[in-house]
This record gives sequence, structure tokens and C-alpha cells, in this order.
Amino acid sequence: QVQLVESGGGVVQPGRSLRLSCATSGFTFSNYPMHWVRQAPGKGLEWVAVMSYDGRDEYYADSVKGRFTISRDNSKKTLYLQMDSLREEDMGVYYCARDRRQNSGSYLGPDYWGQGTLVTVSS
Amino acid sequence: DIQMTQSPSSLSASVGDRVTITCRPSQTITTSLNWYQHKPGKAPKLLIHTASNLQSGVPSRFSGSGSGTDFTLTISSLQPEDFAIYYCQQSYGTPFTFGQGTRLEIK
Repeated sequence: QVQLVESGGGVVQPGRSLRLSCATSGFTFSNYPMHWVRQAPGKGLEWVAVMSYDGRDEYYADSVKGRFTISRDNSKKTLYLQMDSLREEDMGVYYCARDRRQNSGSYLGPDYWGQGTLVTVSS
Repeated sequence: DIQMTQSPSSLSASVGDRVTITCRPSQTITTSLNWYQHKPGKAPKLLIHTASNLQSGVPSRFSGSGSGTDFTLTISSLQPEDFAIYYCQQSYGTPFTFGQGTRLEIK
């Protein structure tokens, strides 16, 4: 079965960095685009970034552009999110999610999601 | 960016009720619309994709309709496990924005 397991969350001071990982299994990781989505405390879901199945294309929400970098290692079946210059408003649960479309440069939106990892930004 | 407006923001209903949630994007998105169910502490779950297609394994009491700028999610007969927060999301173009969510509560 499809599994996505996030890790790397924790407590970090404003301005510092954190790298999240998402280990996957149960599907051919290299065929699927992958997303990061977050949820701030008491707020709704916010889409953060997506990377194409082959790693050639990446797109970001304006709120994280220039500070966050999405990447993937298809040999390790793992997705990453490098978060730099963290702000208090970046605090929340971060989910990785698989896109529904395979082997294409376009996207259909997430189908399977992980349980999330909590990022706390506080001095 | 495409803004997604859901209504209502919250809804109280009873087991067995029929409920409808609306999602309106700020521009046309053809049928590039997904619906998710989210329970606290759990992974979000895809219910409906491409506006009206039921995701595999999702009960048939869930249905979606619409195109362009007007979409609805309907639950035909609420079950106890359906009380959750529901989100629409557009996959028409980046950023892939979500609606603000609809909290479905037990009356």
C-alpha cells in the first residue's frame, strides 16, 4: 500500500533552517510529482510546493518562494523540503503528498498524503 | 492566483441529513477541482477528483458536481464518521490553492 512518512520537524528559532524529509513506499516514486502542503495552527490547508516526477520542474507558493526549496532523490524514494529563513508564520504541520498524475509535466492534485510533521518556529 | 471560496464555513447537521458544500473559484478552472476530508491528527483524504469522480474506496454517499466557477460536494446521508473539515482545491494552475474549509459538526 502507498505510504508516505514525513520527518525532520521540530522547534527552531526564527531565521534558522530546517530540512524535512518524506520517505515513500508502495508505489513507483520516480513516476509521480510530489507536493508539500502545510496547516498552521487553527488554520486551513495551504499548498506550499510541487516538484515534477523527474525533478526538472518546481513551483512554490508566493509565501515561501526564495526561502524554501523542494527536491527529491528518486533512488531513495524520498522527497525533501529545505526551509531557510524561517518565520513564525511558517509554523504548522507539514504534509507531503503524491500527485495523482504519472509521468507527465502537468498535475492533477494530491491523492495520497502522509500524517505530517510539526514545525514550531519560536524564539 | 486563483482564490477559492467555500461556503458555508461551518455547518451543523444530524446523522442521516443531506448536506451540500459549495466551492467557487475566482476564475474558471474547467473541472480541475478536488475535494478532501480532513480529521484532526489524520492525513487528509481525497474524496472527489476532477469535480465529479469518486476516488476509489470512497463511499457512494459522497458526490461532486460542477464546472467552471461553481462546484458542489454533496453527502447524501450523513454518517457519524463524516463529521470533519472539508476542503476544495484547484489543480488548474499553480499555486494549487485550497478553499478555507468547511467544518461539518454534529447537531
